[in-house]
Amino acid sequence: EVQVVESGGGVVRPGGSLRLSCAASGFTFDDYGMSWVRQVPGKGLEWVSGINWNGGSTGYADSVKGRFTISRDNAKNSLYLQMNSLRAEDTALYYCARGGRGTSFDYWGQGTLVTVSS
Amino acid sequence: EIVLTQSPGTLSLSPGERATLSCRASQSVSSSYLAWYQQKPGQAPRLLIYGASGRATGIPDRFSGSGSGTDFTLTISRLEPEDLAVYYCQQYGTSPLTFGPGTKVDIK
Repeated sequence: EVQVVESGGGVVRPGGSLRLSCAASGFTFDDYGMSWVRQVPGKGLEWVSGINWNGGSTGYADSVKGRFTISRDNAKNSLYLQMNSLRAEDTALYYCARGGRGTSFDYWGQGTLVTVSS
Repeated sequence: EIVLTQSPGTLSLSPGERATLSCRASQSVSSSYLAWYQQKPGQAPRLLIYGASGRATGIPDRFSGSGSGTDFTLTISRLEPEDLAVYYCQQYGTSPLTFGPGTKVDIK
């Protein structure tokens, strides 16, 4: 069974950092691009970042470019999102999803909540 | 950036009725890399349609997608009570990938 499980969310002060992780199982991880998508509770979906199968190509939304870094460790079947210089507007539920540019997002985790507040 | 616009914002229909949801792109979506997702309250999004018209695994055949270029449609042929959800379109062909604002489907 395909599963992606996010972790690492929490409460952080503005300007702080947080690292999200996504553990994948049930499929050959390095066959797929992966993405992070966020959602402010009660609002719509926003693609945050994506990475191709080997980490050689990444992409970011303008809203996070220069502050967030996506990476993956295929040996550990894991995806990461390093979030620096966090702002109140980064507060959201962050989803890990299998898919990226050229591939729809066919499996999603349940999300991890990030709250940026003083 | 490709901006996606969805209409209507909310659709209120009775069980058994046909729902037609529209997604319009600000520029042509490459290779019909257009997907539709369903998000029920308190749940993660679920892929319904990929490549504009391909039905994802396990999706009932009452859901169908069509369109190309800049105009796309999701049709639910006969609404069921469990179809209460917000439906999002997404283009995944050009970075940054983008989602539409969603259409909420209410069941009368």
